[in-house]
Amino acid sequence: RKEVEQDPGPFNVPEGATVAFNCTYSNSASQSFFWYRQDCRKEPKLLMSVYSSGNEDGRFTAQLNRASQYISLLIRDSKLSDSATYLCVVNGGSYIPTFGRGTSLIVHP
Amino acid sequence: DGGITQSPKYLFRKEGQNVTLSCEQNLNHDAMYWYRQDPGQGLRLIYYSQIVNDFQKGDIAEGYSVSREKKESFPLTVTSAQKNPTAFYLCASSIIVQGQMRWQPQHFGDGTRLSIL
Repeated sequence: RKEVEQDPGPFNVPEGATVAFNCTYSNSASQSFFWYRQDCRKEPKLLMSVYSSGNEDGRFTAQLNRASQYISLLIRDSKLSDSATYLCVVNGGSYIPTFGRGTSLIVHP
Repeated sequence: DGGITQSPKYLFRKEGQNVTLSCEQNLNHDAMYWYRQDPGQGLRLIYYSQIVNDFQKGDIAEGYSVSREKKESFPLTVTSAQKNPTAFYLCASSIIVQGQMRWQPQHFGDGTRLSIL
């Protein structure tokens, strides 16, 4: 089983839709979790950290389910500009993070 | 303006040639990392360094070398031993908070695209 797994997609949604991605991880000792956004041919940029109690930043909500070992990202009211690849990142207790391969989101008019 | 600067943006390598990718940060971050990303693939760790004059191999270190003589700088050399160097190379840095289990997020440079001539 891969350490961090994501559905590669693409998720193809209309503007205004709500879309959710999951990311599963195998190391139960993982302590830190993040979502990054990567645009085509660009570097990843930190979107948000994921806290145990769940957290929200505008239209974006991140949640952690330790029992089932997954994190999720919910995007409400999708915009065309949300089209990108979303990477989940998990740290298993060292300073070396593990990246998922990313989920591609395409928002169309 | 604080950040990570990678240069050059594009680089071409001839067969048998070593090339060096530059990565400089002025964020005062302790840790620095090099990743390779192939089209449609995730990031794979090449090398990382948590402190000056020390570095460790990542998952795909063969054919690469690094140095960390200054906190701000972590150059990557792609040697002729790396037979398939064409990829997008990303440098990242992060803070290390001693005594805390929670890891701090990485910040990335804007990458170097390396191709074979």
